[in-house]
Amino acid sequence: DIQMTQSPSSLSASVGDRVSITCRASQSIGASVNWYQQKVGKAPQVLVYAASSLQRGVPSRFSGTGSGTGFTLTINNLQPEDFATYFCQQGHTVPYTFGQGTKVEMK
Amino acid sequence: QDRLVQSASELKNPGASVQISCRASRNTFSGYYVHWVRQAPGPGLQWMGSLSPSGQPTAFADLFQGRVAMTRDASARTMYLQLSSLTFEDTALYFCARGGFNYADLWGQGTLLTVSS
Repeated sequence: DIQMTQSPSSLSASVGDRVSITCRASQSIGASVNWYQQKVGKAPQVLVYAASSLQRGVPSRFSGTGSGTGFTLTINNLQPEDFATYFCQQGHTVPYTFGQGTKVEMK
Repeated sequence: QDRLVQSASELKNPGASVQISCRASRNTFSGYYVHWVRQAPGPGLQWMGSLSPSGQPTAFADLFQGRVAMTRDASARTMYLQLSSLTFEDTALYFCARGGFNYADLWGQGTLLTVSS
């Protein structure tokens, strides 16, 4: 299985900050990475698919970059509603695997 | 706006089987892949498998091979996940999700399965 190593596991930030979360794949996966946001007690919601395509309805402060084995989700101008847990997921090879998550907490 | 509505929480004994349903509130699942994903504290999010738009299973994770089935009803409004030979490690929150072949953009609210003796 392809391993997705996500870092950091948690971070503290303030409203207005720029936040970056990285995901490294155990083998090259092209651009087959999706990013999800999950709030407590809710299902995940896709933010970015195919590494850099913003899901319809997702604010433009979210962006994704990367290809091959290294990927980054960036949140510019962090908003109060962005405090949540974020997961990467590779869609290159089944079983599709997820990173362990990054919890973004308020500083 | 379409929603996916899942069945209620389940409590099962080890060795038993469970069926979880997932119904689209407005439209059908036609034209979409349907994925099943579970979430437990240790392993985190685990993709279990998916159904193609035609209703055929596309793949299952090896962890569930031989004891999982994914089906849909004839109207393609409701999807089902069956998991057999349950163990304590199957205790998790189970999600259905609709989308493309390798991502999901509409998720159910989750069904909590507890396996306990």
